[in-house]
Amino acid sequence: QPVLTQSPSASASLGASVNLTCTLSSEYSRYAVAWHQKQPEKGPRLLMKVNRDGSHTKGDGIPDRFSGSSSGTERYLTISSLQSEDEADYFCQTGGTAFGVFGGGTKLTVL
Amino acid sequence: QVQLVESGGGVVQPGRSLRLSCAASGFTFSTYGMHWVRQTPGKGLEWVALIWQDGGYKYYADSVQGRFTISRDNSKNTLDLQMNSLRAEDTAVYYCARGIYNGVWHYFDYWGQGTVVTVSS
Repeated sequence: QPVLTQSPSASASLGASVNLTCTLSSEYSRYAVAWHQKQPEKGPRLLMKVNRDGSHTKGDGIPDRFSGSSSGTERYLTISSLQSEDEADYFCQTGGTAFGVFGGGTKLTVL
Repeated sequence: QVQLVESGGGVVQPGRSLRLSCAASGFTFSTYGMHWVRQTPGKGLEWVALIWQDGGYKYYADSVQGRFTISRDNSKNTLDLQMNSLRAEDTAVYYCARGIYNGVWHYFDYWGQGTVVTVSS
């Protein structure tokens, strides 16, 4: 099964931009990932799916401030014009026909 | 709009059983695979189980294989998770999630709010 690696934490200032990275284990470099946001006391929310070629498809209602890209085994989530409500945990996820797998998550702090 | 509402969580002793339910609305339930995902305290998300649209295929994480059973009733738009032989490490918030499958992999496009399961003596 693929392994997804994320940095445990990230921080950026209000109004700035931040890039979150999800690294796929090398043998799964062709896999797409989905990015999910988990705010406290709320269920997770799909942000987008990011393909190997960097194309991405957003979930319903996700603002333009959120974008995705790819390079090799890395899948990126970029959040621009950071707002206070963006402070949350961000998880990448992939899987196969019979399973799902998550990265460990990145806790984003908005300063 | 798509809604997923979990219920059935609670406090249960180790070794006992609990049944979770998820009520779905706002979409044609029978045309989507459905999943259970959990988040343990202070930790990340863990995929638990998957059931295909017609219930014909079911898959489980190794950590719950043989103890948990996923099922669905397409006439009632409900998804269930029967959890037996519960362990302390099953303590988590359990989410149901709608799956999107493109022929290669599943991802989750809608999630419920979660129901809390605490396994403790």
